[in-house]
Amino acid sequence: DAGVTQSPTHLIKTRGQHVTLRCSPISGHKSVSWYQQVLGQGPQFIFQYYEKEERGRGNFPDRFSARQFPNYSSELNVNALLLGDSALYLCASRMAPLGNYNEQFFGPGTRLTVL
Amino acid sequence: LAKTTQPISMDSYEGQEVNITCSHNNIATNDYITWYQQFPSQGPRFIIQGYKTKVTNEVASLFIPADRKSSTLSLPRVSLSDTAVYYCLVGETGANNLFFGTGTRLTVIP
Repeated sequence: DAGVTQSPTHLIKTRGQHVTLRCSPISGHKSVSWYQQVLGQGPQFIFQYYEKEERGRGNFPDRFSARQFPNYSSELNVNALLLGDSALYLCASRMAPLGNYNEQFFGPGTRLTVL
Repeated sequence: LAKTTQPISMDSYEGQEVNITCSHNNIATNDYITWYQQFPSQGPRFIIQGYKTKVTNEVASLFIPADRKSSTLSLPRVSLSDTAVYYCLVGETGANNLFFGTGTRLTVIP
């Protein structure tokens, strides 16, 4: 069974540029969440989407946006990149936004480097 | 969200049992305790979740005292492949904004 997939695996951008990261959830999972993980810290919640609607947003500036498509895949967009946006961006999927378990399935992440 | 406190790092020899304790003094009535494992350059992986007393699965046990202000993740007979960062999370089931904190870096020594 395919797990959560993310693309690209690595990305190098310069300050001021924008970036689009992509995520495909596990088949049958309708909820996708995005996390940012800076080196040495735990993942920080950015967004959650379920059935193409935003269900949660973390403490991130408006430069960060996301959307979910009818096939439940998702994109994370970051505009006007800053050096501090350099991080591992993780996508996680789950069956539904509310469930009996806090089990999310994470992808391998996209390593973004901003120069 | 209830804040959690874990040791920054732990070392253990192969074959030993490892216990990682997490403090969560402000845990709410509806909160569950969840543990994740993360290897370098990979996404976190769910290990175990519990509400009270003891929960056991094929990889770990989770001990939660009656006051639920702390919890202990127990890994039996660790191997080198258990070297990873372990995160304790506290929140309602289905919460979409789980707080990972900095985790505990476990190093298993041969």
